[in-house]
Amino acid sequence: AQSVTQPDIHITVSEGASLELRCNYSYGATPYLFWYVQSPGQGLQLLLKYFSGDTLVQGIKGFEAEFKRSQSSFNLRKPSVHWSDAAEYFCAAYLQAGTALIFGKGTTLSVSS
Amino acid sequence: DGGITQSPKYLFRKEGQNVTLSCEQNLNHDAMYWYRQDPGQGLRLIYYSQIVNDFQKGDIAEGYSVSREKKESFPLTVTSAQKNPTAFYLCASSQGGAGEKLFFGSGTQLSVL
Repeated sequence: AQSVTQPDIHITVSEGASLELRCNYSYGATPYLFWYVQSPGQGLQLLLKYFSGDTLVQGIKGFEAEFKRSQSSFNLRKPSVHWSDAAEYFCAAYLQAGTALIFGKGTTLSVSS
Repeated sequence: DGGITQSPKYLFRKEGQNVTLSCEQNLNHDAMYWYRQDPGQGLRLIYYSQIVNDFQKGDIAEGYSVSREKKESFPLTVTSAQKNPTAFYLCASSQGGAGEKLFFGSGTQLSVL
């Protein structure tokens, strides 16, 4: 079945340390890929997206993500985490034309001081 | 300001009762979506509509109904057939093309009395 997988349910990172959140998708062709962030009790905000072209995409708030076709992955990275980055992060993909966005189960990021 | 408005923010349902969640957008978007969010489950698609007077079932449509009589409105009814309705419900909209960014409302928390 077509799916988006985020292997890590919860990650804790020290403030100032680097961050990598993992995302894998299951689909034959290259999907459109997204990362969203959600603060508690709120809607989702788009961090970045990949459609085609350069496999390293830059987003808002200093985030970037790299698409690796060979690994079916689209991992999110940030060089230096701030306390305000603590939130839930969702990877999402359009896996088929004419369908809606499919989300992974999310990764909760905690930032320790 | 353009955006998506969900109301109410909190909603309580009694046993056997139908309740309707409102979603309005003034972004002139063609497509609208309803997602259900449960802790640890990510966002699961309930229904989506790519054009007025047309909508499709998502992965968990049972116990829910929608209508799309106007471009700007996509109300979701949680029927008495939905036995576990307690969740956070998110409405979203997009231009409708493949890979288009979703804009999210701030959500409705539905609880059962």
